[in-house]
Amino acid sequence: GAVVSQHPSWVICKSGTSVKIECRSLDFQATTMFWYRQFPKQSLMLMATSNEGSKATYEQGVEKDKFLINHASLTLSTLTVTSAHPEDSSFYICSARDPLAGGRSNEQFFGPGTRLTVL
Amino acid sequence: AQSVTQPDIHITVSEGASLELRCNYSYGATPYLFWYVQSPGQGLQLLLKYFSGDTLVQGIKGFEAEFKRSQSSFNLRKPSVHWSDAAEYFCAVGLYTGTASKLTFGTGTRLQVTL
Repeated sequence: GAVVSQHPSWVICKSGTSVKIECRSLDFQATTMFWYRQFPKQSLMLMATSNEGSKATYEQGVEKDKFLINHASLTLSTLTVTSAHPEDSSFYICSARDPLAGGRSNEQFFGPGTRLTVL
Repeated sequence: AQSVTQPDIHITVSEGASLELRCNYSYGATPYLFWYVQSPGQGLQLLLKYFSGDTLVQGIKGFEAEFKRSQSSFNLRKPSVHWSDAAEYFCAVGLYTGTASKLTFGTGTRLQVTL
């Protein structure tokens, strides 16, 4: 149980285009999902917290107009990188929390990540 | 604000040797502590977690960690390392306020295992 998927697993796009990354909780309902960014050989940095049915909460320094987050259902959150540039190239990882998981309600279950390369 | 320090960027051990990865945290209350492992190009897998209770926590793959409040530490240990343990290891501290939760990760320790 508690499986999170991401799609696509990798994407290459041209500079100036927009890219959408999906994060799905496959066997539980996730009222809260998180989006992280990881640069090569570095740690995960939280970008934003996505709550179902409401606006995402962005961390300081993250451009909300650049990284659009939509959490339209209890099992799906999307991250859209708008007008992507080479500096947006990174590994994007989502995670989800199952508030009904009892003793595991404070765990985050991570997706496998999406590698974005902007040419 | 909470913070996590992993002093060792890179560690090399021989297969079969014991392993200890260090993690120190800064947090104003009793923390929720986690260790995750990441293989190259992959997401994160939870090894173990500490919320409360017994300070020695057992995890998957033969790993364990000990919460020491007096030292603000949560070091990860394994008595005998296998070549498949080579990966990046992240310590994290969780902040939970009602329905909100936030993980802060350390910078990671890359483990190399020599045969």
